[in-house]
Amino acid sequence: DQQVKQNSPSLSVQEGRISILNCDYTNSMFDYFLWYKKYPAEGPTFLISISSIKDKNEDGRFTVFLNKSAKHLSLHIVPSQPGDSAVYFCAASYYYGGSQGNLIFGKGTKLSVKP
Amino acid sequence: KAGVTQTPRYLIKTRGQQVTLSCSPISGHRSVSWYQQTPGQGLQFLFEYFSETQRNKGNFPGRFSGRQFSNSRSEMNVSTLELGDSALYLCASSGRGPEQFFGPGTRLTVL
Repeated sequence: DQQVKQNSPSLSVQEGRISILNCDYTNSMFDYFLWYKKYPAEGPTFLISISSIKDKNEDGRFTVFLNKSAKHLSLHIVPSQPGDSAVYFCAASYYYGGSQGNLIFGKGTKLSVKP
Repeated sequence: KAGVTQTPRYLIKTRGQQVTLSCSPISGHRSVSWYQQTPGQGLQFLFEYFSETQRNKGNFPGRFSGRQFSNSRSEMNVSTLELGDSALYLCASSGRGPEQFFGPGTRLTVL
């Protein structure tokens, strides 16, 4: 049972335009959400996160939106650059037993930004 | 600060052998988690160590084990290797916050 789903395996956008990556989750206990970027043969790089008490978090060109009622979050990249081409993973976790639990990842979305 | 380091980066083993992978977390981070990435299953959680104690464990067989040392460095061991254990093994460390920071991974190939 996939608790974190990224339903689009790939996305292609033009340089300078907006990239929107989507993620859905099923477990209402999740209280922290993260986005990672991954190049082949490298470890995931942390991009941005959001707590469930917020609905938006911005960091430079990256904004994450959280819609708790829909159990949906999205990552917006504006403007998109060719260097943003990578696989993007959505991850979620929840606090229990005195610590934030392990990350549960979606399968990833491969973003291609064309010059 | 230096990032998470993992050694070795690449490893080739044969079925039935065992392997030990090493991870050094970001300085000051006391939590170390291990993940397995395969094309079919994606990124899956193996276990987490905090202050030398296993705090959380994923759904993997007992052939997968780990430990953490007093300097927070961690090792994971896989015994009796199977072909399906071929994967990228990722280590991540975290400090006070919930964000986890990943190392470059160890690519294990089992022949």
